[in-house]
Amino acid sequence: EVQLVESGGGLVQPGRSMKLSCAASGFTFSSFPMAWVRQAPTKGLEWVATISTSGGSTYYRDSVKGRFTISRDNAKSTLYLQMNSLRSEDTATYYCTRAALDYWGQGVMVTVSS
Amino acid sequence: DVVLTQTPPTLSATIGQSVSISCRSSQSLLHSNGNTYLNWLLQRPGQPPQLLIYLVSRLESGVPNRFSGSGSGTDFTLKISGVEAEDLGVYYCVQSTHAPTFGGGTKLELK
Repeated sequence: EVQLVESGGGLVQPGRSMKLSCAASGFTFSSFPMAWVRQAPTKGLEWVATISTSGGSTYYRDSVKGRFTISRDNAKSTLYLQMNSLRSEDTATYYCTRAALDYWGQGVMVTVSS
Repeated sequence: DVVLTQTPPTLSATIGQSVSISCRSSQSLLHSNGNTYLNWLLQRPGQPPQLLIYLVSRLESGVPNRFSGSGSGTDFTLKISGVEAEDLGVYYCVQSTHAPTFGGGTKLELK
């Protein structure tokens, strides 16, 4: 059974950093591109970033370029999202998903507030 | 960015009724490789989204065949032939031909 389990969320002050992790199991993690998608409270879905199978190619939405870094450790079957210089508008539930959007984690809440 | 416009924003239906949701793109979603990367997702209350349809009309494994997708270029439709109670939630179209973008969502509720 495919499982994606996010961790690392919580409350953080504006301008600070936070790192999300996503532990994958039930499939050959290294064979699939992965992505992060977020959803602000009561809002719709928003793509954040995608990473290739090797990690050699990464893609970001404009509003997070230069602040967020997506990465992966294929040996640990884990996806990461390093978020720096956080803003209030980054407050959302962050979902780990295979890039094909066929499997999703339960999501982790990130709240940016002083 | 590609803008996906979903209509209607809210849909009220009775059990057994057939309904359709439209998704219109600001640009063609036909990729140079011949595929059209337009998917449909359902997000039930308090749950992560689940994939229903991929590549416009292909039914994801385990999804009931009352769901169907159609369209090409910039105009796409999701049809539910006989709504069931478990179908209630918010439906999103999403494209990944270009940098991924989601439609604004269509909330399906019981009339």
